[in-house]
Amino acid sequence: DIQMTQSPSSLSASVGDRVTITCRASQSIYNYLNWYQQKPGKAPFLLIYAASNLQGGVPSRFSGSGSGTDFTLTISSLQPEDFATYYCQQSYSTPPFTFGPGTKVDAK
Amino acid sequence: QVQLQESGPGLVKPSQTLSLTCTVSGGSISSGAYYWTWIRQPAGKGLEWIGHIYSSGDTLYNPSLNSRVTISLDMSKSRFSLHLTSVTAADTAVYYCARGYRVAFTVSFDPWGQGTLVTVSS
Repeated sequence: DIQMTQSPSSLSASVGDRVTITCRASQSIYNYLNWYQQKPGKAPFLLIYAASNLQGGVPSRFSGSGSGTDFTLTISSLQPEDFATYYCQQSYSTPPFTFGPGTKVDAK
Repeated sequence: QVQLQESGPGLVKPSQTLSLTCTVSGGSISSGAYYWTWIRQPAGKGLEWIGHIYSSGDTLYNPSLNSRVTISLDMSKSRFSLHLTSVTAADTAVYYCARGYRVAFTVSFDPWGQGTLVTVSS
């Protein structure tokens, strides 16, 4: 199985901050990488697909980059509604599809 | 706009079979090349892909659960189901259904159901 890791596991930030989350795959997954946002008690929500493509309706302050084994999710200016947990997910080598362990973004 | 809704028992006894259904509304379950998917999340933990059934009826399961999992499709009722046998406390989780689809080569999951908590306990 391809293992996904994320760093940091949690971070504290303020509204307006630039936030960067890193996802690493145990082997190259090219750009077969998606990002999700999950708020407490809610289902995950697709933010970015294929490493850098913004899902429809997602604010442009979210962006993704990377290829191969290293990927980043950036929130250019953190908004109050962005406090949540973020997961990366690979679909290059399946089964299984695998998710990262998540990065929790909370208020400083 | 497609919506998914999970349903099923919230409590299952150890060694028994967990059975959940996901009802799809706002779109046809038989149209398009979709992967009708089950994903679970133990409390306070990450996401685990369980498996999916393709619109054609082909299935793919997580090897860690393969021998215990069956996913089926009922197009006439626009729903798909999960059966997980011989459950233990380790199967206690929120279970989500989701629609998977391939775009730009990658398979992503959108939308998701709201999730349903299943507790395995005697």
